[in-house]
Parts: sequence; C-alpha cells; structure tokens
Amino acid sequence: ETGVTQSPTHLIKTRGQQVTLRCSSQSGHNTVSWYQQALGQGPQFIFQYYREEENGRGNFPPRFSGLQFPNYSSELNVNALELDDSALYLCASSLAVRGGPYEQYFGPGTRLTVT
Amino acid sequence: RKEVEQDPGPFNVPEGATVAFNCTYSNSASQSFFWYRQDCRKEPKLLMSVYSSGNEDGRFTAQLNRASQYISLLIRDSKLSDSATYLCVVYNFNKFYFGSGTKLNVKP
Repeated sequence: ETGVTQSPTHLIKTRGQQVTLRCSSQSGHNTVSWYQQALGQGPQFIFQYYREEENGRGNFPPRFSGLQFPNYSSELNVNALELDDSALYLCASSLAVRGGPYEQYFGPGTRLTVT
Repeated sequence: RKEVEQDPGPFNVPEGATVAFNCTYSNSASQSFFWYRQDCRKEPKLLMSVYSSGNEDGRFTAQLNRASQYISLLIRDSKLSDSATYLCVVYNFNKFYFGSGTKLNVKP
C-alpha cells in the first residue's frame, strides 16, 4: 500500500454539475499530482501542486481546478461536467527534492461517471 | 506527435521467457524517466526509475538512451504475475507524460 487515499471511490454525476474529489498524500510527501485515465489509455496529467501552489499543468481547460492544503492533502474540482469527463481520476504524491527524480505513488482512484 | 509512445502489444510470452519493451519520447530535454505497471482496473504502481547509467532490480532491467530518445524495460524469467500493462513515464518541466502502455500476457 502506498498510503495515498482518495475519496469517494465511485461517483455518478449529471452533465453540467460540479464535482470535488479528494486525496490524502503519503506521509512525508509535499507534492501532489492529478491524472485523468480513460479506459484503455494511459493517465493524462491534469496538474501538480507543490507547497499549495499549482506548478505544472497539462492540456486541461480551466474548469479543472485544484487546491493543496497545508497538510499536503488535495482536492480536484471539475465544473460544468461533460460526458467525456467520465474516467478514473488518480491522485499521486511524491517528495520533491532538488534534482528529482520525483517518484510518484498513486492512490486507488475515483471512478467518475457523467450521465 | 505524442510526447511518449509505446507499442500497445499485447506481448504474449510463455513463463520463463525474456521480454523487452521500448518507449520513445519526443522532448530531448526530458529530465526523469520511470516505468510503472498497472493491473486491470487498479492504480499504476512504480516499478522503477530509469537512470542514465541503466539500473537493475532483480529480474527487471531499465535502460535510457538519450541520443535516440528511448527507454527500455527488460524482464527476465517471466512469471505469471508479471502479466499487466507497463507504462512508460517521462517528466519534464513540472509535467508528467504517460505512454498508453504495453500489455504483457505471460502464459503457463
């Protein structure tokens, strides 16, 4: 077990609604990243938070936003849900040190279905 | 062009076989490289980081070729439990890029 937890496990939402997913980092880690994984695809990087600030972002629209808290836990918020947002959302934590290599450890994911 | 490309497979091999996967990346300035394995409907698990000098962990060997911009993973003496999807990951400038994965089936 990695020590990274996510909630909820499963979620069903309607198009146009908003959703908040939560992640608790592994103890001692200071960086959290969020990914979207569609069926049969590799995870797609949404963004990364370090010391409560976003410091890297993939090709996702602004309706995907996040927060990192002082205890390094994190939230992913998605507004105006679309059918294509249906996916497994993964959170990964790591310890950022100068020079990397930024090994990430994943939580079990939240499976989001948008109808 | 995708940042990271992998052969999707599947690679079907008998137990005890040696199998190798390659992964190419497009950004020559990429900083860090990893292999993850992912079982069906589970989260990715870190297999190993890939260092410039190459590295080995038991039956697994990873190599990095910066000149040709690819990384490789070699699995020796395959076990049934090695059946999974293997994901190549490249990190550059605060972003992580995952390949789509290579599926390995190890058969008795």
